[in-house]
Amino acid sequence: DIQMTQSPSTLSASVGDRVTITCRASQSISSWLAWYQQKPGKAPKLLIYKASSLESGVPSRFSGSGSGTEFTLTISSLQPDDFATYYCQQYNNYRTFGQGTKVEI
Amino acid sequence: EVQLVESGGGLVQPGRSLRLSCAASGFTFDDYAMHWVRQAPGKGLEWVSGISWNSVSIQYADSVKGRFTISRDNAKNSLYLQMNSLRAEDTALYYCAKVPGPVGLYYFDYWGQGTLVTVSS
Repeated sequence: DIQMTQSPSTLSASVGDRVTITCRASQSISSWLAWYQQKPGKAPKLLIYKASSLESGVPSRFSGSGSGTEFTLTISSLQPDDFATYYCQQYNNYRTFGQGTKVEI
Repeated sequence: EVQLVESGGGLVQPGRSLRLSCAASGFTFDDYAMHWVRQAPGKGLEWVSGISWNSVSIQYADSVKGRFTISRDNAKNSLYLQMNSLRAEDTALYYCAKVPGPVGLYYFDYWGQGTLVTVSS
């Protein structure tokens, strides 16, 4: 099984900050990685797929990079609506999620 | 507009069964594979099972293999999850999720709002 490890688990930031979340895979997954945003009581929302492709309608302040085993999600200038939990997910072999990163004030 | 509406959750005793349903609308259901993903209270996301557009390719997480059965009825635009031999650790919000292709390796582009399953005596 492919394990996904996110860091940090919690991130304290302020509006306007540049935020970076890291996701590491236990083996190479090429670029088969997605990022989701989840707010309390809501379903996850797709942000990024294939490591760096921005889903339609997602603000351009979100970006993804990486390949192989190491990936990052970057929010260039944190907005009030961005305080949420973020998950990475591999879809190279079955599907596995990271444990999540909570972005808080 | 894509809509996925789950139903069938509830309180069930350990060892008993439950069947979840997901009603899909706003897209051509039989063009896409579909999946179930769950989230235990206060925890992260766990993929449960997936089914191709024609039900030929079916996959399960090891944690539910042999106990859960995924199926679909393309004529009714519906996805199902039959859950047998339920355990306390199956307690979770169960999401129905769509992928942007008929089969194979894809991410989840649309999610329902979930249906809560609680396994407790």
